[in-house]
Amino acid sequence: GENVEQHPSTLSVQEGDSAVIKCTYSDSASNYFPWYKQELGKGPQLIIDIRSNVGEKKDQRIAVTLNKTAKHFSLHITETQPEDSAVYFCAARGSSNTGKLIFGQGTTLQVKP
Amino acid sequence: EAEVAQSPRYKITEKSQAVAFWCDPISGHATLYWYRQILGQGPELLVQFQDESVVDDSQLPKDRFSAERLKGVDSTLKIQPAELGDSAMYLCASSPGALGTEAFFGQGTRLTVV
Repeated sequence: GENVEQHPSTLSVQEGDSAVIKCTYSDSASNYFPWYKQELGKGPQLIIDIRSNVGEKKDQRIAVTLNKTAKHFSLHITETQPEDSAVYFCAARGSSNTGKLIFGQGTTLQVKP
Repeated sequence: EAEVAQSPRYKITEKSQAVAFWCDPISGHATLYWYRQILGQGPELLVQFQDESVVDDSQLPKDRFSAERLKGVDSTLKIQPAELGDSAMYLCASSPGALGTEAFFGQGTRLTVV
């Protein structure tokens, strides 16, 4: 069935460094790839997304890249700050016509001051 | 800023009791999702509504879970009877489009079954 793999499960960086989280998906018909940030005790917050007709998208310190051939996409955070510390989830919308999102297992990002 | 509202935020219930969660999506959003998130994992879809109709409930344990969205606006998810393994975060999300483009999540209901 549809599957999204996310790596690494934990990531620790120094403030100011860059962080990269990678995801691979199994359904070649997937066409929408959002990234969510989840803080402790809260719901996931959409931070950036990309559609299959675009290879890269950037929003200030956050960027997402998509390689459809390899079926993987990545989140890049530059100039990390302590408030970036959270759990990050990637997701892919599968080929079903319902818009169902399949989530990765999450990456716990810790930014050390 | 419009938000998805969920209540209660926290719920502790005893095994075999009934429990219900409520969700009010962002105004005008036709698509509503209920996800379950076990601690340390990503959310998994339980049920998806398009207006008042269920379009995907393939992962909903129908022997104990039920969901409704009678007027195509707010929704209720019920568990009866609750089991220890149901302890999780229950998340509601909504999308404006028929095929669900951006999905916006509520704060969730943390359920603990004792």
